[in-house]
Amino acid sequence: DIVMTQSPLSLPVTPGEPASISCRSSQSLLFSNGNTYLDWYLQKPGQSPQLLIYLVSNRASGVPDRFSGSGSGTDFTLKISRVEAEDVGVYYCMQALHLPYTFGQGTKLEIK
Amino acid sequence: EVQLVESGGGLVQPGGSLRLSCAASGFDFSSHWMHWVRQAPGKGLVWVSRINSDGTGRDYAEIVKGRFTISRDNGKNTVSLQMSSLRVEDTAVYYCASWDVPKQDFDIWGQGTKVIVSS
Repeated sequence: DIVMTQSPLSLPVTPGEPASISCRSSQSLLFSNGNTYLDWYLQKPGQSPQLLIYLVSNRASGVPDRFSGSGSGTDFTLKISRVEAEDVGVYYCMQALHLPYTFGQGTKLEIK
Repeated sequence: EVQLVESGGGLVQPGGSLRLSCAASGFDFSSHWMHWVRQAPGKGLVWVSRINSDGTGRDYAEIVKGRFTISRDNGKNTVSLQMSSLRVEDTAVYYCASWDVPKQDFDIWGQGTKVIVSS
């Protein structure tokens, strides 16, 4: 199985400040068609997960532009340019290159 | 409104069976692959199973293979997960999720249904 490793696991952030989450995969997520199968999801407290970013850097519909994704191969980053109170929750990266699809451990973002 | 609504969760004894259902509405269900993802209490997300759009292809996580069966009814816009030989470690919230093939992501998630396996 592809192992996804996130850091940090806990991320206290002051509102208005930037935040960054790292995600590393145990093997490259680049497919032969040129796509890299890495998504980001946010699970807000008491809610189901919701899609933030697909294929490394594409924001899902309705996702604010303060969220951005980047990376390639095995190293990926989710950045929030200015954290807002509504951004609290657990962020997961997920690889969709090979079954079983696997998630990172999750990064809990909290407001200072 | 685009939504997925799970049902069927509950308390079951180890070794028992349970059938989860997920009703879809507001989108073209029959063209979407469907998945189940679970989350044990206080833990992260774990992929469980998937079924292709016409129901002819199924895949399972090793930990549930041979015990769980995924199925779908495109006429009723539902996907199901038949769970048998349940173990304490199957205790989790089970989410159904719709897979967007072009974007390769879970674009729609249900609210989840809780399964507790305990004696």
